[in-house]
Amino acid sequence: KAGVTQTPRYLIKTRGQQVTLSCSPISGHRSVSWYQQTPGQGLQFLFEYFSETQRNKGNFPGRFSGRQFSNSRSEMNVSTLELGDSALYLCASSLERAMNTEAFFGQGTRLTVV
Amino acid sequence: AQSVSQHNHHVILSEAASLELGCNYSYGGTVNLFWYVQYPGQHLQLLLKYFSGDPLVKGIKGFEAEFIKSKFSFNLRKPSVQWSDTAEYFCAFTRRGSTLGRLYFGRGTQLTVWP
Repeated sequence: KAGVTQTPRYLIKTRGQQVTLSCSPISGHRSVSWYQQTPGQGLQFLFEYFSETQRNKGNFPGRFSGRQFSNSRSEMNVSTLELGDSALYLCASSLERAMNTEAFFGQGTRLTVV
Repeated sequence: AQSVSQHNHHVILSEAASLELGCNYSYGGTVNLFWYVQYPGQHLQLLLKYFSGDPLVKGIKGFEAEFIKSKFSFNLRKPSVQWSDTAEYFCAFTRRGSTLGRLYFGRGTQLTVWP
């Protein structure tokens, strides 16, 4: 079956712009989580959605937001981009909200802010 | 606060050498434990997982890990590494039974294997 699909794979934006990233989970998976990966900070949790509801949020400013649609697809948005937002953004999907199963990751969206 | 500590930032080995990557987690409750691997240019893949039962778990590609509850550790081992094992390895956990689906990751260990 198809894995987690993230689009686009690469993005270049300028400071002050906003960006929307998309994630399509594995069919049947209802939980979607987002992570930011940078060389300096490693993998940082952004938020988790289950059944269109945000159930958990990491320590990121309000410029980072997300949503989940009824088909479990998710988007995350970053407004007023800063240079420090340059990172690999990873989406993970899993069957259960409780995460007593494994999470499957997409290939990520590489965002570069110039 | 919950956290994961991976002891080695970068490990360099020759082929056929044995590997052990250390991982300690900080959380007072029951956890599910994972090791993920990220090969160059590829997505994070699950190497192995521990939910309950036998604390020695075997994963793909000859990797294994041992959960020692008293030490809050989940070290990854492989008896003989190959050049193709060059990758970044991440230890992670979730709080078992929690309704909050979140993986707590370590900072990762870059493994370089020389042929």
